[in-house]
Amino acid sequence: QVQLVESGGGLVKPGGSLRLSCAASGFTFSDYYMSWIRQAPGKGLEWVSYISSSGSTIYYADSVKGRFTISRDNAKNSLYLQMNSLRAEDTAVYYCARSLKYSGSYYSQYWGQGTLVTVSS
Amino acid sequence: QSVLTQPPSASGTPGQRVTISCSGSSSNIGSNTVNWYQQLPGTAPKLLIYSNNQRPSGVPDRFSGSKSGTSASLAISGLQSEDEADYYCAAWDDSLNGPWFGTGTKVTVL
Repeated sequence: QVQLVESGGGLVKPGGSLRLSCAASGFTFSDYYMSWIRQAPGKGLEWVSYISSSGSTIYYADSVKGRFTISRDNAKNSLYLQMNSLRAEDTAVYYCARSLKYSGSYYSQYWGQGTLVTVSS
Repeated sequence: QSVLTQPPSASGTPGQRVTISCSGSSSNIGSNTVNWYQQLPGTAPKLLIYSNNQRPSGVPDRFSGSKSGTSASLAISGLQSEDEADYYCAAWDDSLNGPWFGTGTKVTVL
């Protein structure tokens, strides 16, 4: 069965950095788009970033552009999110999700359990 | 702020039909398909409806989706206590060139 397990969350000071990882299993990782989606405490969902199966296509939300970098290692079935210059407003649960993209649609079929990132001094 | 607007809350008694709306524009719902996610308290979101009205395997047929113009709806018929959750619509936006979630609707079973 499809499993996505995030790790790397924690408490970091404003301006600091953190690297999130997502270990995938139960499917052919290299066949799928992958996404990072976050949810601030008590708030709604926000698509942070996605990466195509080969890594050639990458999307970032304006709120993280220039500060976050998504990457993947298909040989290790792993997805990453490097987060730099972190701000208080980046505090959220970060979910890794397996996604599908085709003309006119983008959606995430499977989600991990999430990892909490807290940015605070 | 989101480009997709949902009512903050909806409610019904067990067995009732509840409908949640999702309002967008020509650059998102008007030209792309709509997906719906269910988030039970304390858990990760789950895909409920994709491509406007398709249910993934395992999703009860009590849940149905529809789209008309620049709006979409999720209907829950035969409301059950376990349906109490947050529901989010989502769609690709051509102008912003990315996927977007709606503002979310909390469904309460009275």
